[in-house]
Amino acid sequence: DTEVTQTPKHLVMGMTNKKSLKCEQHMGHRAMYWYKQKAKKPPELMFVYSYEKLSINESVPSRFSPECPNSSLLNLHLHALQPEDSALYLCASSQDAGIAFFGQGTRLTVV
Amino acid sequence: DAKTTQPPSMDCAEGRAANLPCNHSTISGNEYVYWYRQIHSQGPQYIIHGLKNNETNEMASLIITEDRKSSTLILPHATLRDTAVYYCIVRVGYGSARQLTFGSGTQLTVLP
Repeated sequence: DTEVTQTPKHLVMGMTNKKSLKCEQHMGHRAMYWYKQKAKKPPELMFVYSYEKLSINESVPSRFSPECPNSSLLNLHLHALQPEDSALYLCASSQDAGIAFFGQGTRLTVV
Repeated sequence: DAKTTQPPSMDCAEGRAANLPCNHSTISGNEYVYWYRQIHSQGPQYIIHGLKNNETNEMASLIITEDRKSSTLILPHATLRDTAVYYCIVRVGYGSARQLTFGSGTQLTVLP
């Protein structure tokens, strides 16, 4: 199984809502990543988890809150987002810093 | 991690080889060259990586110059499904989790 599964595929949320994005992998990878991608731009790294601990936070606003409840799961909790936060959110995993496998992303629209 | 430079766009005729260049003149001795591609609205997909020797797999070939300052990804028989943005990334291959930083990439369009 070389899949990274992201749910939901699409999400529309209001600026006062709280929602969560979910990412799951069963490859035994110990590094997991969240990226944000705006249209026609490359993915931008948000967070890196290593062995279930947050190791890199690329100065992401606190309205984005990551969580790694176990080695297979990565969540991104969203609260009080702005319309400019609308983007494709990508999750990835890798074995240490080797080859990364990406999910298909969650298309988020903030209204 | 070393910075990379790629042309913003390239065209290739279907069935011909697509050669995508990447410059990484500041690459360090322990840094690998990775190639990923992203088909429209999908997640990036790993293609191939190498340290200093040329590499080949079922998807592509990677040619790295002897001084390691540049590389070329070769898709030997491009198809319409190879139309995508191709990213060349240089980073340390193994160890603790590190950033995988994407540059602007090359938009490859395969023409019928």
